[in-house]
Amino acid sequence: GDSVTQMEGPVTLSEEAFLTINCTYTATGYPSLFWYVQYPGEGLQLLLKATKADDKGSNKGFEATYRKETTSFHLEKGSVQVSDSAVYFCALPGTYKYIFGTGTRLKVLA
Amino acid sequence: ETGVTQTPRHLVMGMTNKKSLKCEQHLGHNAMYWYKQSAKKPLELMFVYNFKEQTENNSVPSRFSPECPNSSHLFLHLHTLQPEDSALYLCASSQDGRDTGELFFGEGSRLTVL
Repeated sequence: GDSVTQMEGPVTLSEEAFLTINCTYTATGYPSLFWYVQYPGEGLQLLLKATKADDKGSNKGFEATYRKETTSFHLEKGSVQVSDSAVYFCALPGTYKYIFGTGTRLKVLA
Repeated sequence: ETGVTQTPRHLVMGMTNKKSLKCEQHLGHNAMYWYKQSAKKPLELMFVYNFKEQTENNSVPSRFSPECPNSSHLFLHLHTLQPEDSALYLCASSQDGRDTGELFFGEGSRLTVL
């Protein structure tokens, strides 16, 4: 069946460091792919998405490229800020449900 | 109000109590979802309603009872819960559950079962 595998956390970085959070998926066909973010005390919110192979989603300095050949959708940011501290979820949508990764907690230190 | 609103934000209940969680969306969506978020576990989909019809029930114990009176409101009725049911319960909505686009989440109801 469809699945999402996301790197384990927590990830601790200093401000302005480079961030990569790995996500790979298994799916039939070529679904859209999403990254959601959950800030402390809040629900999840969409960070970015890509709807087809080779698409790059971007938002708030974060980027992720839909790589069909490696079935990956890794999240990257060139220079993280303290305000980026949150939990990040890779997600694979389907009919009546989403498949979420386990979430990766990011902590950015000033 | 806009978006997805959940009440109460925090709830403490004993194992013999009966309580309800409420979710309301002001986005004109037709699909609503309940998710359970426990520490160190993946998000668990509990129930899905699409156009007020329940389409998913992921083997959720009967002590959790959902209700969707219309496309804007979703309830989760709780009774005789167990301490392991303590978690953050997230409500979400989307335009149509058959073609899942973006999910919009509420801030969650933090439930503690004593």
